[in-house]
Amino acid sequence: QVQLVQSGSELKKPGASVKVSCKASGYTFTSYDIDWVRQAPGQGLEWMGWINTNTGNPTYVQGFTGRFVFSLDTSVSTAYLQISSLKAEDTAVYYCARVYDNRASNAFQHWGQGTLVTVSS
Amino acid sequence: EIIMTQSPATLSLSPGERATLSCRASQSVSSSSLSWYQQKPGQAPRLLIYGASTRATGIPARFSGSGSGTDFTLTISSLQPEDFAVYYCQQDYNLRTFGQGTKVEIK
Repeated sequence: QVQLVQSGSELKKPGASVKVSCKASGYTFTSYDIDWVRQAPGQGLEWMGWINTNTGNPTYVQGFTGRFVFSLDTSVSTAYLQISSLKAEDTAVYYCARVYDNRASNAFQHWGQGTLVTVSS
Repeated sequence: EIIMTQSPATLSLSPGERATLSCRASQSVSSSSLSWYQQKPGQAPRLLIYGASTRATGIPARFSGSGSGTDFTLTISSLQPEDFAVYYCQQDYNLRTFGQGTKVEIK
């Protein structure tokens, strides 16, 4: 079965960097893009963009350019989200997600369990 | 950017009652691009409905979706205790955007 397993919670100081991982299993990793979604405390879901797992080409939506980097290690079927120059407002749960099996839909059928990143001095 | 507006923000209902949640897009979207998610505290979102009206794998029949163009609806025919949660709509017609969510709480 398809699984997306993310790395554990992180506590970072302002100005530091963090790298969140999302390890995929149960399917051919390079067959589906990986998307990233942010959820600030008590807030809704914000789509950050995606990475093409075939080409490694990332696409960032407005508001997530500059300090946010999507990357891959296809040898271990893992996608990464790195955030640099962390700010308090980056405190959130970050999810990786994948679309429906067989691309029956572009909806996110599969989600990681989420990684809480807390930025605090 | 397509803005998705959900209403109401909070719905207070009793178990067994019918829940009707609304999602309005700022411009027309294809029905195939509209989905609904359920999220419980401390959990990742779960896909309920895609293509505006198709239930995802394993989703009970009490959940149904309808609508087209700019107006979409998620209906829960008879609320079960496990259905009290936050619900989000999403469009992927033009990039992706989520609605702000509707919380279904116990009255």
